[in-house]
Amino acid sequence: AQSVAQPEDQVNVAEGNPLTVKCTYSVSGNPYLFWYVQYPNRGLQFLLKYITGDNLVKGSYGFEAEFNKSQTSFHLKKPSALVSDSALYFCAVRDPYNAGNNRKLIWGLGTSLAVNP
Amino acid sequence: GAVVSQHPSRVICKSGTSVKIECRSLDFQATTMFWYRQFPKKSLMLMATSNEGSKATYEQGVEKDKFLINHASLTLSTLTVTSAHPEDSSFYICSASVQGSSYNEQFFGPGTRLTVL
Repeated sequence: AQSVAQPEDQVNVAEGNPLTVKCTYSVSGNPYLFWYVQYPNRGLQFLLKYITGDNLVKGSYGFEAEFNKSQTSFHLKKPSALVSDSALYFCAVRDPYNAGNNRKLIWGLGTSLAVNP
Repeated sequence: GAVVSQHPSRVICKSGTSVKIECRSLDFQATTMFWYRQFPKKSLMLMATSNEGSKATYEQGVEKDKFLINHASLTLSTLTVTSAHPEDSSFYICSASVQGSSYNEQFFGPGTRLTVL
């Protein structure tokens, strides 16, 4: 069964320090992987995606993520955190070989990131 | 980037009434739109996949007669919560994919906060 796990409910980091938000997945084929961010009382905003090619994907707001097939992970990273990065982060995956799902994504439960000044 | 709007952003209604939420793709055509419900502890639940010109595909456990979805055009999908009850109070979010490639990201609306008294 397809699934996405975000093992950390909350991540706390000091401003200026590097941050990592973890995501692991399980799909039957090669995955399409996505990260989204949600600010309070707002919809989700797309950050970045991995479809194929270079394992290191760069996205919006200085975020990047590394696709690791052997570890089935797609951790989100940023070299230097900002207080404004504090938000809810969601990892999602789509199995490209499941043609019947109308591009439906499987979502992680989200990780709250708090960046302290 | 692609913009998705939702209307209304906030609605308060009495128990037993019906509420309609609109989701529009403003600058692109979306053959597929998705409706989500987000609970207070942040988890994002896919309710249904809305396909233009055909019936929506509901996720297991979601009552299709309770949550009516109509996708009459390539830019508009509506979710109607019929005979709303307090337990239907939630944050409802729609998203849309750009017509074409199957690995395009979803673009999200800002969400609708429904409160049923």
